[in-house]
Amino acid sequence: GAVVSQHPSRVICKSGTSVKIECRSLDFQATTMFWYRQFPKQSLMLMATSNEGSKATYEQGVEKDKFLINHASLTLSTLTVTSAHPEDSSFYICSARGGGSDTGQLNTEAFFGQGTRLTVV
Amino acid sequence: AQKITQTQPGMFVQEKEAVTLDCTYDTSDQSYGLFWYKQPSSGEMIFLIYQGSYDEQNATEGRYSLNFQKARKSANLVISASQLGDSAMYFCAMREGRRGGSRLTFGEGTQLTVNP
Repeated sequence: GAVVSQHPSRVICKSGTSVKIECRSLDFQATTMFWYRQFPKQSLMLMATSNEGSKATYEQGVEKDKFLINHASLTLSTLTVTSAHPEDSSFYICSARGGGSDTGQLNTEAFFGQGTRLTVV
Repeated sequence: AQKITQTQPGMFVQEKEAVTLDCTYDTSDQSYGLFWYKQPSSGEMIFLIYQGSYDEQNATEGRYSLNFQKARKSANLVISASQLGDSAMYFCAMREGRRGGSRLTFGEGTQLTVNP
């Protein structure tokens, strides 16, 4: 399957600082990337959808000024948690999907990064 | 209304036995895709199997098969010959719409424990 790399895998930061998380598609061009948040023992909650070269679409209840998403190229999307607080501590995971026909593997499946465990102290 | 429902928060199975993880879905789209992902304790999401709404045959991938019953709107995952390494959280997900750019909606997950 296609490879999506997410970095860092784990980060601890002080309250009030900003943290950037990178999501890279290594062997395909990701026209669309998705950012999820997951609390312990819960499902993935979609935060936003980003398309290369355009502004991200945020889900209801997600603060766009707090969670800045940039999808500057077809292989890289970043999520920046600004002015982080302890309640932002969570597992953040990205997924990527390429373009192509409906029957193409890249278009039917979403490949996930390894996730980032953020702890704000 | 929940789009994806996984009614089993936890399941236990003996090693080498088969197990079925339930998933029902709700959509008015004619074109949709159903996915199963495995999430071990490390957190990564591992794609297991995909079923398209127009696929007539049930999808199979090695020890994984998807029991797709369109009229009942169910897409159960069957794992045959369970292994200890199968212990993980399993998520059922659905993509609605014709184009692959649509989002995935996830169920609440089932925690599978394989006992030796």
